[in-house]
Amino acid sequence: GESVGLHLPTLSVQEGDNSIINCAYSNSASDYFIWYKQESGKGPQFIIDIRSNMDKRQGQRVTVLLNKTVKHLSLQIAATQPGDSAVYFCAENRNTGNQFYFGTGTSLTVIP
Amino acid sequence: KAGVTQTPRYLIKTRGQQVTLSCSPISGHRSVSWYQQTPGQGLQFLFEYFSETQRNKGNFPGRFSGRQFSNSRSEMNVSTLELGDSALYLCASSFGGGDSPLHFGNGTRLTVT
Repeated sequence: GESVGLHLPTLSVQEGDNSIINCAYSNSASDYFIWYKQESGKGPQFIIDIRSNMDKRQGQRVTVLLNKTVKHLSLQIAATQPGDSAVYFCAENRNTGNQFYFGTGTSLTVIP
Repeated sequence: KAGVTQTPRYLIKTRGQQVTLSCSPISGHRSVSWYQQTPGQGLQFLFEYFSETQRNKGNFPGRFSGRQFSNSRSEMNVSTLELGDSALYLCASSFGGGDSPLHFGNGTRLTVT
């Protein structure tokens, strides 16, 4: 399954499928990006980050891709599990200190 | 390593009152940031403290203030509460360089009636 930017706030995928969550950012000066997962009743949990001098970074079952040309960030989750159901946020640092700007989030639902 | 701790978890206040929220950062983190999360506005930056000094401030009225202590613990205060201040208030700590991730607590849910 795939979401498109901030205009599709929900994404449903079958357990075991791969998920792709997208995020568009607007500031070309942004140099550091983070993906967070937020479950109900909890604060955002760090998943993976990437600096602007990279275009891909992999973690455990997750990959973040950064396309600076079109100002686009994506999070790929492999073999999506029910425990991955949550809201996912991208966050960018616009090279203005330690202030981060968050996207509106995508709600991921994994169907068993 | 203990995570970010926020107290209290829930608060119910009346319009016009004031409230103080507390945050204990991860050991070794000198930066503490506060965010407001609402369904309509998402996560919005309030302010950031580093070594007891406010470094950045978001676009919120002066009723929102904060401070940081020498042990990096931080408090946030909201005076003259309004109904629109009902939100989840999140505290995040980090090393503060702008190139390391924020680590969030589970927030304080404030309800203003």
